[in-house]
Amino acid sequence: DARVTQTPRHKVTEMGQEVTMRCQPILGHNTVFWYRQTMMQGLELLAYFRNRAPLDDSGMPKDRFSAEMPDATLATLKIQPSEPRDSAVYFCASGEGTVDGGAREQFFGPGTRLTVL
Amino acid sequence: GDSVTQMEGPVTLSEEAFLTINCTYTATGYPSLFWYVQYPGEGLQLLLKATKADDKGSNKGFEATYRKETTSFHLEKGSVQVSDSAVYFCALSAAGRRALTFGSGTRLQVQP
Repeated sequence: DARVTQTPRHKVTEMGQEVTMRCQPILGHNTVFWYRQTMMQGLELLAYFRNRAPLDDSGMPKDRFSAEMPDATLATLKIQPSEPRDSAVYFCASGEGTVDGGAREQFFGPGTRLTVL
Repeated sequence: GDSVTQMEGPVTLSEEAFLTINCTYTATGYPSLFWYVQYPGEGLQLLLKATKADDKGSNKGFEATYRKETTSFHLEKGSVQVSDSAVYFCALSAAGRRALTFGSGTRLQVQP
């Protein structure tokens, strides 16, 4: 039963600290997404990768957020320094990209619930 | 740009009632349309999808038909159960884009 995994599931930290969230996409999926979910903004796309290369990170605050894929089995999202307004649930999703740009299903991980005090 | 509009919740129904959650969209070209469901404390799960006009997606008793003429993709279920209580998200994927555009979500509460 292939699933997207995310760690940690919960993180409480103090303002100014670095936060690293990790995601293991489903084996064979070449597209990885990071979303943020808050009550006020709903689901927002932060960044996505195809074949480990960033295709779009326009949703991320560049001064404090960074996203990488060190290898095909790991995606990371870092916040440095963290702020209380970053408190949210961060979801990773993976899927199969298509050459013609057609839609594919995205499989979501369980999320990391971040609280910045 | 692309956008998805869902009816606001919460929607509260009694068990075995008929469910409709409205969803309309704005997009260029011919997007694919999706319904995702989020149970408490979990990530989103794909419920159903439709990739072209007049397609009907269905799963677990839920259905939605891709209506290009009304740019809609309303979710329906004939008889809801308490276990259907969750937040439902309508989403689209425009041609040539990998990312989904989500609606704001509709919370469904089913009472016994």
